[in-house]
Amino acid sequence: GAVVSQHPSRVICKSGTSVKIECRSLDFQATTMFWYRQFPKQSLMLMATSNEGSKATYEQGVEKDKFLINHASLTLSTLTVTSAHPEDSSFYICSAARTGGVGELFFGEGSRLTVL
Amino acid sequence: DQQVKQNSPSLSVQEGRISILNCDYTNSMFDYFLWYKKYPAEGPTFLISISSIKDKNEDGRFTVFLNKSAKHLSLHIVPSQPGDSAVYFCAASHSGNTPLVFGKGTRLSVIA
Repeated sequence: GAVVSQHPSRVICKSGTSVKIECRSLDFQATTMFWYRQFPKQSLMLMATSNEGSKATYEQGVEKDKFLINHASLTLSTLTVTSAHPEDSSFYICSAARTGGVGELFFGEGSRLTVL
Repeated sequence: DQQVKQNSPSLSVQEGRISILNCDYTNSMFDYFLWYKKYPAEGPTFLISISSIKDKNEDGRFTVFLNKSAKHLSLHIVPSQPGDSAVYFCAASHSGNTPLVFGKGTRLSVIA
């Protein structure tokens, strides 16, 4: 099946620093990628929709200047958490929709961010 | 307002018996439904899907039933195995490549 890879899987950083998380579709092209955040005991919350070659669409309540998303190619989207704070500590998951596909999303393994 | 609801946060089933996970939705525009399985600290993995033109889809031990009039779908796992213990998310979308709307998940525990 289609593979989506996220890197890093775990990252610990100091408060105030920026962290970049990569999401790659390894064996298919993904015009659209989605970034989700999971809080403990809660569902996956959609943060933004990333479209190759254009600006990301952010969900209400998600700060676009804090969570920078870049989708420069059909196989790579990046999420940068800028000036991270402890409340940004979470599990971030990306998913990719196969270009021309029928709606099934393929998920990355997730990245656990811990901000000290 | 939650568009996809999984009202049971947890479910325990004995090994070998049937697990039934339920999901309700409110948006009549949804036409594609999926179930994902998630282990701790991992991304969700796709299990099975169903489009609104069908009322049943079966894949091995997993069967999804869709009742459009009731806006209800369910996932049946039979026979249940200990390795099925995970959180199961129901998700819905409208017309393909749109963001999935997830339920809050149901934690299934299969007891040996």
